[in-house]
Amino acid sequence: EVQLVESGGGLVQPGGSLRLSCAASGFTFSSYWMHWVRQAPGKGLVWVSRINSDGSSTSYADSVKGRFTISRDNAKNTLYLQMNSLRAEDTAVYYCARGRSRIAEYYFDYWGQGTLVTVSS
Amino acid sequence: SSELTQDPAVSVALGQTVRITCQGDSLRSYYASWYQQKPGQAPVLVIYGKNNRPSGIPDRFSGSSSGNTASLTITGAQAEDEADYYCNSRDSSGNLWVFGGGTKLTVL
Repeated sequence: EVQLVESGGGLVQPGGSLRLSCAASGFTFSSYWMHWVRQAPGKGLVWVSRINSDGSSTSYADSVKGRFTISRDNAKNTLYLQMNSLRAEDTAVYYCARGRSRIAEYYFDYWGQGTLVTVSS
Repeated sequence: SSELTQDPAVSVALGQTVRITCQGDSLRSYYASWYQQKPGQAPVLVIYGKNNRPSGIPDRFSGSSSGNTASLTITGAQAEDEADYYCNSRDSSGNLWVFGGGTKLTVL
């Protein structure tokens, strides 16, 4: 059974840092691209970042570029999101999701339950 | 970056058919995927590609696409289909992804 379990969320002051983790199991983690998606309270889903299967390529939404870093440890089956210079508008539930692709198709077939990040003084 | 536009809210009578649409330039190059999200839960994939349903998704859910518009159709909506629905695709560069703003479906 595919499982994605996020952790590391919590309360942090503006300007602070936090590292999220996503522990994967039930599939060959090193074969899949992985993503972070966030959802502010009462708002919609927003794509944040992705990393390819071996960690050599990443991309970021403009809103987090230069502040967030996605990484992975395939030996530990774990995805990370290092979040620096946090702002109030980064307050959200952060989900990790597995990416799948075929020609002209891309989708997120499994999602974790999310971890809440609150940025407040 | 591209944007995907969805109607904020749609309603449907129990047992009737409803279509939820998603518009964006990137949909001319990439198929949309669709996600159902109920309060307090993680999103669930319901449709991907041309018109594919993951295992466990009822066949009343279907997808279609034309030009810059993707559609999710629920044929014979059930009470349990009441949820928020989001479309997603890669943007026109192919290196970023974008979600629509979401559509809140109410089943009357």
